Amino acid sequence: DSGVTQTPKHLITATGQRVTLRCSPRSGDLSVYWYQQSLDQGLQFLIQYYNGEERAKGNILERFSAQQFPDLHSELNLSSLELGDSALYFCASRPPRGANTEAFFGQGTRLTVV
Amino acid sequence: SQQGEEDPQALSIQEGENATMNCSYKTSINNLQWYRQNSGRGLVHLILIRSNEREKHSGRLRVTLDTSKKSSSLLITASRAADTASYFCATDVAGNMLTFGGGTRLMVKP
Repeated sequence: DSGVTQTPKHLITATGQRVTLRCSPRSGDLSVYWYQQSLDQGLQFLIQYYNGEERAKGNILERFSAQQFPDLHSELNLSSLELGDSALYFCASRPPRGANTEAFFGQGTRLTVV
Repeated sequence: SQQGEEDPQALSIQEGENATMNCSYKTSINNLQWYRQNSGRGLVHLILIRSNEREKHSGRLRVTLDTSKKSSSLLITASRAADTASYFCATDVAGNMLTFGGGTRLMVKP
């Protein structure tokens, strides 16, 4: 158990809909990262938050948005869903002691858009 | 585009053999990390090597880093069927995001 919790584990929804994925980082971790992994692909970095503020942005679509709340949990919102958005979405957190730290990953949310 | 690229994309070996995976990257890094992913599950950190280190060991794992060639390798010795998984390298450029490669799918046959 990494200590990072993601909910829900599975999500099936129709095209055009909007969903929210939730992530609770490890206790004490201030950074939250979101990644998308399509079938048999590598992980694409979407966005990073640090202590409530956006820190880095990757190839995140305009239809996607995220935020980190004061209790440090984060939500990834995906709207106007398309079939191609079907993927595993991972959240990870890292300790706040600066560089050279490992990331701890949640078990992911498997999103299926039908 | 991916910062790191793993090679080979897939590797199939017999139990007891060694498995070597390579990773190349494009920019200067703070550190390089290797992760393992069992099918459809979350990634698990294996080892971190800093930019000023050349080699690191952890159990049956050996990682090397050549910053002049912008490359790293992961060696798993005496492989076991339980080592079957995908292995990813990730580069840490500025202490912020980790950028992952496409991964190597390793199959260890009993």
